[in-house]
Amino acid sequence: EPEVTQTPSHQVTQMGQEVILRCVPISNHLYFYWYRQILGQKVEFLVSFYNNEISEKSEIFDDQFSVERPDGSNFTLKIRSTKLEDSAMYFCASSVDEPTEAFFGQGTRLTVV
Amino acid sequence: RKEVEQDPGPFNVPEGATVAFNCTYSNSASQSFFWYRQDCRKEPKLLMSVYSSGNEDGRFTAQLNRASQYISLLIRDSKLSDSATYLCVVTATSGGSYIPTFGRGTSLIVHP
Repeated sequence: EPEVTQTPSHQVTQMGQEVILRCVPISNHLYFYWYRQILGQKVEFLVSFYNNEISEKSEIFDDQFSVERPDGSNFTLKIRSTKLEDSAMYFCASSVDEPTEAFFGQGTRLTVV
Repeated sequence: RKEVEQDPGPFNVPEGATVAFNCTYSNSASQSFFWYRQDCRKEPKLLMSVYSSGNEDGRFTAQLNRASQYISLLIRDSKLSDSATYLCVVTATSGGSYIPTFGRGTSLIVHP
C-alpha cells in the first residue's frame, strides 16, 4: 500500500540552527501539506503546496519557514534559526486532489535544545 | 471562533460499550469531512469519510448534518484496541485552497 514517508524520524538540533525535514509523498498525489503538533496540542496546519508553489499558508508559517520540491519525489520543510518553541512533531501529508482525504507520514519529532 | 470543535474527553468506557463523539464546524462552505484516529505519538490515520447520507464501516458509523454544521461518530461494541484520540477533520476554504483543518480530538479509553 502506498504511503507517505518522512525522514528523519527524530531530529535534535541546537537553538539557532537550520533543519530540513524531508518527505516523499504518495506518487500520484498532487497536493502536499505540512502540519505540526506540539506535544499535547492539536494538529496545526502550516502550509499547502500544489503545482510547485505554495497554495496556502497559516500564520505560523512565517519567514523562518520555507518549502521546496527539489525533484519529482521529495518535498522538504526548512526551518531557519530554530527556536525552542519549534519543538514539535512535524507531519507531512498528501492528497490526490482537494478536498479529498489526506494521508499522513509517520512524522519527524523535532527537539530544539 | 474555533473552526472545528470537539469535546476533548476523555471518554472512559468498558469493552462492549457504544460511544458517540460529536464535532461542530464553523465554516459553512466546508466541503469534505473525515474522522481520523491518532494513537499516542503517531500520525493521524484516516478512519472514514463522512457523507450527508451517513456511512457505516463495520462497528463505526459517521453522520453529517450540514444544516447544523455537525458531525458525529458512533462506535459500537468497543474494543480495547479502539483506545485512541479521534480527530474530526473538515476541509474548508477561506477563499483559496481547501485545507484539512483538525479539531483538538476526543480521547477514548476502553477498559476491560
